[in-house]
Amino acid sequence: NAGVMQNPRHLVRRRGQEARLRCSPMKGHSHVYWYRQLPEEGLKFMVYLQKENIIDESGMPKERFSAEFPKEGPSILRIQQVVRGDSAAYFCASSINTGELFFGEGSRLTVL
Amino acid sequence: AQSVSQHNHHVILSEAASLELGCNYSYGGTVNLFWYVQYPGQHLQLLLKYFSGDPLVKGIKGFEAEFIKSKFSFNLRKPSVQWSDTAEYFCAVRPNTGNQFYFGTGTSLTVIP
Repeated sequence: NAGVMQNPRHLVRRRGQEARLRCSPMKGHSHVYWYRQLPEEGLKFMVYLQKENIIDESGMPKERFSAEFPKEGPSILRIQQVVRGDSAAYFCASSINTGELFFGEGSRLTVL
Repeated sequence: AQSVSQHNHHVILSEAASLELGCNYSYGGTVNLFWYVQYPGQHLQLLLKYFSGDPLVKGIKGFEAEFIKSKFSFNLRKPSVQWSDTAEYFCAVRPNTGNQFYFGTGTSLTVIP
């Protein structure tokens, strides 16, 4: 499944910088989910969006994290003022009708 | 709160051994159930899914899973594992009242040649 495209695949940031992760869903998919994966912790839900709307952001940290899925263009997960604890793999998944999720290859963020 | 439990965190098997990975969920209503696999360095891929009908679901690569509603379980099985099955396996549940997918913490399977 190469349909869900995430970039960058690897991102290195210093503490205090901003990280922007992009996700282009599969063609025709209007539902986007972001998950964070830490070693030994599995997949943690962050946010669920449909075009121009945040449907569920219950998994997003209250500060520094934001997400959008504009009418045109990819979904973006933005992390401001990154800290070492933000180092993780961030996976995007899309769905046409929430019947099943199709995952991207992930973006691996390393904070120095 | 909804939760998905995968009690086996790490499993090590020899080739040709049988596999069963447990998955239990806490939700009283109707659910859709999924097993995903993540091979080293790759993205998650769907192994199989259950929406309705026959509770014994056949997936790719010889995997199957059985939905037992009374036990809130959806265990994954394979009669004879191969070295190439070494991967992380995730169980996921989607209550049909919403669009949220809940994932377990994953089970790491290592198959020794």
